[in-house]
Amino acid sequence: NAGVTQTPKFRILKIGQSMTLQCTQDMNHNYMYWYRQDPGMGLKLIYYSVGAGITDKGEVPNGYNVSRSTTEDFPLRLELAAPSQTSVYFCASSYLSDSYEQYFGPGTRLTVT
Amino acid sequence: AQSVSQHNHHVILSEAASLELGCNYSYGGTVNLFWYVQYPGQHLQLLLKYFSGDPLVKGIKGFEAEFIKSKFSFNLRKPSVQWSDTAEYFCAVNGGGATNKLIFGTGTLLAVQP
Repeated sequence: NAGVTQTPKFRILKIGQSMTLQCTQDMNHNYMYWYRQDPGMGLKLIYYSVGAGITDKGEVPNGYNVSRSTTEDFPLRLELAAPSQTSVYFCASSYLSDSYEQYFGPGTRLTVT
Repeated sequence: AQSVSQHNHHVILSEAASLELGCNYSYGGTVNLFWYVQYPGQHLQLLLKYFSGDPLVKGIKGFEAEFIKSKFSFNLRKPSVQWSDTAEYFCAVNGGGATNKLIFGTGTLLAVQP
């Protein structure tokens, strides 16, 4: 299993540009999550999904959108990039069971200038 | 609302020193508790987790954590650190439920000097 994969690894955007961060998992997990990680701030939940077709906002959803058309994929869309969105983005997935463990992807480092 | 506090933001130790990283959470119900580690340039990996039962939990690489319900704490310990333990450590809490959302602390950056 590849686990959770994310593309791209790095990206530089200009203010106002749009992009989609891709996330795919091959573990047949129902639950998927997007976090952003900023220095000294830990991880903040942006959006999450409990299954295909079902998404909901986390702590910091403004400026982002998501969709979940399949179990495997959970892309994160930035419509109008702003400098405040400079961050490292992590996708994670889990299977709601006794373990509750979330498995993380390698991250995407995004810079908006 | 749930929250997690990690009081040590940056810790510097020499090899073979003992480690204890503090984690306190606020949540009145049943919780699931986790410690994740992020090595330089890598993604988060699970170190250990607590769901129920024995409050002393052992994880990978010689780490352990003790859940003390009365203190709302879940401190991470290791008797003797190695240079390879240099990483950022995150405590996280999950109140269960249908969404499995994790609330993370702000992290503790550990630097182990050889």
